[in-house]
Amino acid sequence: QQQVKQSPQSLIVQKGGISIINCAYENTAFDYFPWYQQFPGKGPALLIAIRPDVSEKKEGRFTISFNKSAKQFSLHIMDSQPGDSATYFCAASIEQAGTALIFGKGTTLSVSS
Amino acid sequence: DVKVTQSSRYLVKRTGEKVFLECVQDMDHENMFWYRQDPGLGLRLIYFSYDVKMKEKGDIPEGYSVSREKKERFSLILESASTNQTSMYLCASLSPPGEQYFGPGTRLTVT
Repeated sequence: QQQVKQSPQSLIVQKGGISIINCAYENTAFDYFPWYQQFPGKGPALLIAIRPDVSEKKEGRFTISFNKSAKQFSLHIMDSQPGDSATYFCAASIEQAGTALIFGKGTTLSVSS
Repeated sequence: DVKVTQSSRYLVKRTGEKVFLECVQDMDHENMFWYRQDPGLGLRLIYFSYDVKMKEKGDIPEGYSVSREKKERFSLILESASTNQTSMYLCASLSPPGEQYFGPGTRLTVT
């Protein structure tokens, strides 16, 4: 029940294309769903986050879509660029409880030029 | 600017050694976390602390202990390092209500 399942494990997208990464969760108590981006040799950094009161959040080329009934959320990267090549992690937590994030296993994105 | 620092970027230790990994945050955060990251397994929680001298086990605490004597510092201790503890170790602190800030990581190799 604590798991967050992420797919695909790896993704290759052409420059200018759309990258889509999906996550699913079981625990309905989760109320905070962030995406982290990690470049080689660096720690993960928060990219964008959503809470279940909205179905979509957009920041620049990055959009989270959230489906509460299906217990799924996804990251869309529009106009993917080689600089977006990184590992992406979805996560979930019970925000007000200050609990640790439960992470998906990550998706390695490679954007070819 | 938020800052989480880890004492070493790379560390090589021998089997059986006691290993200390240090993490310091400068944001006066109460909650701090230690994760290990392995290819294909994502980030797995080892221990977390929600206050000085307070600690809670995460998903994989076996073989590890932690210490939090001061609010800004959270240490991970490998009592007797083993080769299966070769990994990337990441420290994080929590900015309420939910954002975690990560350090750059320590890549530990146990030979």
